[in-house]
Amino acid sequence: EVQLLESGGGLVQPGGSLRLSCEASGFTFSSYVMSWVRQAPGKGLEWVSGIVSGGGATYYADSVKGRFTISRDNSKNTLFLQMHNLRAEDTAIYFCAKSRDLVPSFFQDWGQGTLVTVSS
Amino acid sequence: SYVLTQPPSVSVAPGKTAWISCGGSNIGTKSVHWYQQRPGQAPVLVIYYDTDRPSGIPERFSGSNSGNTANLTISRVEAGDEADYYCQVWDTSGDHSWVFGGGTKLTVL
Repeated sequence: EVQLLESGGGLVQPGGSLRLSCEASGFTFSSYVMSWVRQAPGKGLEWVSGIVSGGGATYYADSVKGRFTISRDNSKNTLFLQMHNLRAEDTAIYFCAKSRDLVPSFFQDWGQGTLVTVSS
Repeated sequence: SYVLTQPPSVSVAPGKTAWISCGGSNIGTKSVHWYQQRPGQAPVLVIYYDTDRPSGIPERFSGSNSGNTANLTISRVEAGDEADYYCQVWDTSGDHSWVFGGGTKLTVL
């Protein structure tokens, strides 16, 4: 059974930094494209960032480009999202999501999310 | 960047059919995927590659995609189908990105 467990969320001041983690189990983590998707309170889903299996290619939404960095440690089955210069509009639940295919396509499995609140 | 447009809300009586649209420029040339999200829960994939259903998703859920519109169809709607539904594509133009529609709230009357 695929399991994705996010952690690292919390309350941070505007301009601050936070690092999210997603621990994966139940599948060969190193073989799949992984992504972060967020959902602001009462709003829709917004894709944030994605990374291919070997980490050689990364993708970012315009809203986070230059502030967020996605990475993965395939030896520890863990996905990361380093967030800098956080803004109020980054407040959201951040979901870790696994693509079914070896190339970017759709999200077959999701974690339960971790809440990030940016506020003074 | 590529934009997907969904109606904010759709209402349907139990037992009837619901259609949720997802508009995008030449979306028929892309693969469209659909997710269901109930309040307080993570999204669940219900349709992938336009028409395919994951195991465990009822046959009542189906999809189509042509021209500038993709559709999610839910037949014989049940109270448990009440949720938010999102379409999604992988856009290979520009910097490459995953794109979600704004979401549609399905209300079962």
